[in-house]
Amino acid sequence: QQQVKQSPQSLIVQKGGISIINCAYENTAFDYFPWYQQFPGKGPALLIAIRPDVSEKKEGRFTISFNKSAKQFSLHIMDSQPGDSATYFCAASVGYGGSQGNLIFGKGTKLSVKP
Amino acid sequence: DAGITQSPRHKVTETGTPVTLRCHQTENHRYMYWYRQDPGHGLRLIHYSYGVKDTDKGEVSDGYSVSRSKTEDFLLTLESATSSQTSVYFCAISERGTSGRRAYNEQFFGPGTRLTVL
Repeated sequence: QQQVKQSPQSLIVQKGGISIINCAYENTAFDYFPWYQQFPGKGPALLIAIRPDVSEKKEGRFTISFNKSAKQFSLHIMDSQPGDSATYFCAASVGYGGSQGNLIFGKGTKLSVKP
Repeated sequence: DAGITQSPRHKVTETGTPVTLRCHQTENHRYMYWYRQDPGHGLRLIHYSYGVKDTDKGEVSDGYSVSRSKTEDFLLTLESATSSQTSVYFCAISERGTSGRRAYNEQFFGPGTRLTVL
C-alpha cells in the first residue's frame, strides 16, 4: 500500500512534443505529491509538487495533473526540449511528521528528447 | 545549490571491509536521509535522522548503520561491505512544515557517492 507505481520506465519524445509520465498509488492518506528531476551524474532536484486539494498545477512547461478518485497523478512536459532529457521520479508522502512524512519514490522514468 | 557535500565521491572497496560515507550540510536542516539508487529500483531510503542522535530505519536498512552526532553531519556505515551494496548513495536534507508557501518535505539532494564493492 506504500508503493508508488510509475510508468513508463523510459520515454522517447521528439523535440516540441508532449512528454507524459504517470504515477499511481494506493494509500489514500498521501497528501503531498512531488516530482523530482535528475540529470546524469547529479542528485535529484524538486521540479514541481501538488497537494490533493487541486486537480492541476502548472509551472512553465511543466504541469501536474491529479486525479484523486483514480489515485493517479501525472507529469506533462509541453514543448519538450533536448535539455529536458533526464530521469523523472514521482513521489508521495503523508503529512510532514515522523516516518509517514518520508517520501515514497516511484522507480523513475528516463526521458530522452530527440532534436 | 543547497549546501550539501558528500565524501568520498567515488570509492572502490573489497568485500568484507568497513566503509563510511559522510554527508555534511550547511543549511541547518533538521532532517537528513540516506538513499541508494539502483537501476530499476529508483531511490530507496536506507536510514533517516530527525535530529541529533535521533535516527530511524528506512526501507532497506539491513547491513547499514548511521550516526548523527552533530546537526551538520550524517554518517552511513557499511560494517562489512558486500557486492550487493554496490550502488550510488545519495544524502538528502529537508525541513518540514506548512508555513507560508513552503511545500511539505522538499528534500535537497547531495551530489552522490558511487560505491563499488569488489
